[in-house]
Amino acid sequence: GAGVSQSPSNKVTEKGKDVELRCDPISGHTALYWYRQRLGQGLEFLIYFQGNSAPDKSGLPSDRFSAERTGESVSTLTIQRTQQEDSAVYLCASSLKFRDSTEQYFGPGTRLTVT
Amino acid sequence: SQQGEEDPQALSIQEGENATMNCSYKTSINNLQWYRQNSGRGLVHLILIRSNEREKHSGRLRVTLDTSKKSSSLLITASRAADTASYFCAESNFGNEKLTFGTGTRLTIIP
Repeated sequence: GAGVSQSPSNKVTEKGKDVELRCDPISGHTALYWYRQRLGQGLEFLIYFQGNSAPDKSGLPSDRFSAERTGESVSTLTIQRTQQEDSAVYLCASSLKFRDSTEQYFGPGTRLTVT
Repeated sequence: SQQGEEDPQALSIQEGENATMNCSYKTSINNLQWYRQNSGRGLVHLILIRSNEREKHSGRLRVTLDTSKKSSSLLITASRAADTASYFCAESNFGNEKLTFGTGTRLTIIP
């Protein structure tokens, strides 16, 4: 595909349920990032993958959040036992790692609403 | 986590006028990037300026960087209605692939 894709585009779930959010990066991009954006706020870094490994998990807000990446391609962000404060847009981005440039290409995001 | 600050938080101008947004950051950067976001969804990369650069142009965009003041500005000339969006700066630090985004400026262009 031409760009980063994310699915679903919208997700409404009940408090306490688990959700999985998917990201398909641009083909060949080795770096993949997840961010969270609450309404009217800036982007909050969650986790970064280089290849299939995650050297920086510092942004995950709690142990209910986890992410994995396989085949240096698709990534899944899982939120267990969702809470209302998890409601946000979850954005995925990818980048082609080369010397001193970290321009990121973003997907359209998944809007998560926890009721 | 550290996060840059942008000002103003919101800006409304008439179509055709120039818009200037400012960004302050806290750490030593490798580069600083500006992104645009429409309707609260995906961000689009606009321009990247490296720490050893002071000014960069791309079309109607002009970015400046002052590392001594840890600040950057984005100027959009001859604004158009389609420029209505939120604009974010993002700092990239040495040895760290993570981008740290500012709080954003909401720009509204009045036709």
